[in-house]
This record gives sequence, structure tokens and C-alpha cells, in this order.
Amino acid sequence: DIAMIQSPDSLAVSLGERATINCKSSQSVLYMSNNKNYLAWYQQKPGQPPKLLISWASTRESGVPDRFSGSGSGTDFTLTISSLQAEDVAVYYCQQYYSSWTFGQGTKVEIK
Amino acid sequence: QITLMESGPTLAKPTQTLTLTCTFSGFSLTSSGMGVAWIRQPPGRALEWLALIAWNDETRYSPSLKSRLTITKDTSKKQVVLTMTNMDPVDTATYYCAYRSPSLVFGCWGQGTLVTVSS
Repeated sequence: DIAMIQSPDSLAVSLGERATINCKSSQSVLYMSNNKNYLAWYQQKPGQPPKLLISWASTRESGVPDRFSGSGSGTDFTLTISSLQAEDVAVYYCQQYYSSWTFGQGTKVEIK
Repeated sequence: QITLMESGPTLAKPTQTLTLTCTFSGFSLTSSGMGVAWIRQPPGRALEWLALIAWNDETRYSPSLKSRLTITKDTSKKQVVLTMTNMDPVDTATYYCAYRSPSLVFGCWGQGTLVTVSS
């Protein structure tokens, strides 16, 4: 199994400020033959199912605001919210899909 | 538009077998690359992938739960069924089904169904 560890578990950010969430996998999720990282990010608001934000480590889904960006490769990844908005309060999960599927433990983002 | 909806009992007793049904629309599970997954989330805790069935009848299971899970599909009814044997209170969770796109991610989720395991 590939384990996914996120940090921090929670963070509080002022409106308009940057939020950064890290995700580390226990083994590389970079598939050499196509040079793609099999890493996704999901957002889960209270009482709602998760929503896919980013796939292939950095490709935003249609309709996702461009303040959300993903980066990283191999085993270390980052989700950045460049200017936090009130509607971004949620728990964020990274997920690897290189070998079956595994989620991180989640990072709760709140307003400071 | 892709939609999924989970259905099944809200309460299960310890040792019982749980059967959940995912009814979907907006895609065909006979089309190349498509799949439906089950994921669960205990109250206040993280997501855990359970099982997946693909368009070509390939099935995948979480290694830690493999012995207890069975996933099947009925393409004519547009349903995917998950059975989990020997239920325990620690299996109390919201159970989601999700559409797995050809790019392998879970692009659309149902609203989830809360299953409580208690005697």
C-alpha cells in the first residue's frame, strides 16, 4: 500500500492570505513512462461529499478557481490556495491513484 | 450530467452482512475506462477507499478489507452493489459511491449514506 501523509492537520489563515497544504507519499507516484504524477486533491465542505479539485498533481478541474494550484512530483506535493476566500473553508485531501487509491488524513482549513 | 445515489440500510447489527446499492446515471459502465468505486468515512475522520469495479469487470479491493468485501455491477439497471460481511461498530461510517473516470480519479460522488452498526 502507498501511504499518504498530509501536513499540517489543520491551519487557520486570514481572508486573502495564502494557504499551503503538503502531502507526502510513502513511495513515488510518478509513472516514468508518461511522466505523470498520479496525485489528486479533493475538497470536502461540511455535510457534503468530496469534490475533485486537481488531478495529475497540477491540473485543475473545470470550474475550479485559479486561486487553487497544485505542485510537486515524485513523493512530495503541495496544494496552494493563493488568496483564501470564506467559501474555501473545508477539509482538503490528497489521494494517490498510482496503485489503487489511498487518501491522506485530511487538512482542515479555517479562517483566522 | 453524471449522478450517483447510494441506498441501503441505515442500521446494521454486529456480525450482519451489509448490502449497499449505488444507482448511477450519465455514463455507461460498459464504456472503456469507466468505473464505480466505494469509499467510506467514519464520523469526523478521513476517507477510506474500499472497492472498485471497472467497465471490463475488473475488481479491486482495499487490502485491509478484501476478505469482507464483494463488489458487483448490473449494467442494465445502472447499479453497483457492495456487500460487506461481519459488520462491526467500527464500520460505522458514511458510505459513498463515486464515478471513476478514465483518468482514474473520482470525478463525481454521491451524497453518501450513513450506516450505523449497533446492537
